[in-house]
Amino acid sequence: AQSVTQPDIHITVSEGASLELRCNYSYGATPYLFWYVQSPGQGLQLLLKYFSGDTLVQGIKGFEAEFKRSQSSFNLRKPSVHWSDAAEYFCAVVLRLTGGGNKLTFGTGTQLKVEL
Amino acid sequence: DSGVTQTPKHLITATGQRVTLRCSPRSGDLSVYWYQQSLDQGLQFLIQYYNGEERAKGNILERFSAQQFPDLHSELNLSSLELGDSALYFCASSTGGSNEQFFGPGTRLTVL
Repeated sequence: AQSVTQPDIHITVSEGASLELRCNYSYGATPYLFWYVQSPGQGLQLLLKYFSGDTLVQGIKGFEAEFKRSQSSFNLRKPSVHWSDAAEYFCAVVLRLTGGGNKLTFGTGTQLKVEL
Repeated sequence: DSGVTQTPKHLITATGQRVTLRCSPRSGDLSVYWYQQSLDQGLQFLIQYYNGEERAKGNILERFSAQQFPDLHSELNLSSLELGDSALYFCASSTGGSNEQFFGPGTRLTVL
């Protein structure tokens, strides 16, 4: 079955340090992949997406992610973390369903804490 | 601001009751999706509507139902509520052929 795995439940980094959040997917075809961020009490904001083409994608707030088909991974990175980046991050894949529908399948999320 | 609105923001009710959550999609979006976020289940897809018709169904309980109206807003009805239904309910919308979904701020449901 199609799935998304985020191996790290919690990550703590110091402000100004680099960040990498891991995401692995299981999907038969070329996946459509997303990273969303959720701040406390807030909805889900799209950081970036990969549909096809260049495997390194740029997103908002200085984030980027690299699609690696050979490793079934789509890791999120940021060169220098800001205190305002503390939030929960979700990796997701679109699953096409019979009947023409689709849905997002989410990972369990990674909670990012930033130390000042 | 994604352009997707949800009301109410918070809802507190008792077991056995029925509630209705409302969602207005982004202007021009034909698809509406409902997701449930709970501590034990994470983010789970419930149901998708496209231009008024049900398009896909996920792990939605029989006590839950949804519909999309001609003006494209959607409502999620939850009945015979149980403590375990306490969760954050998100609505998302997308254009017809797009895989990108835009999320609303959510409705936090607390069942006491």
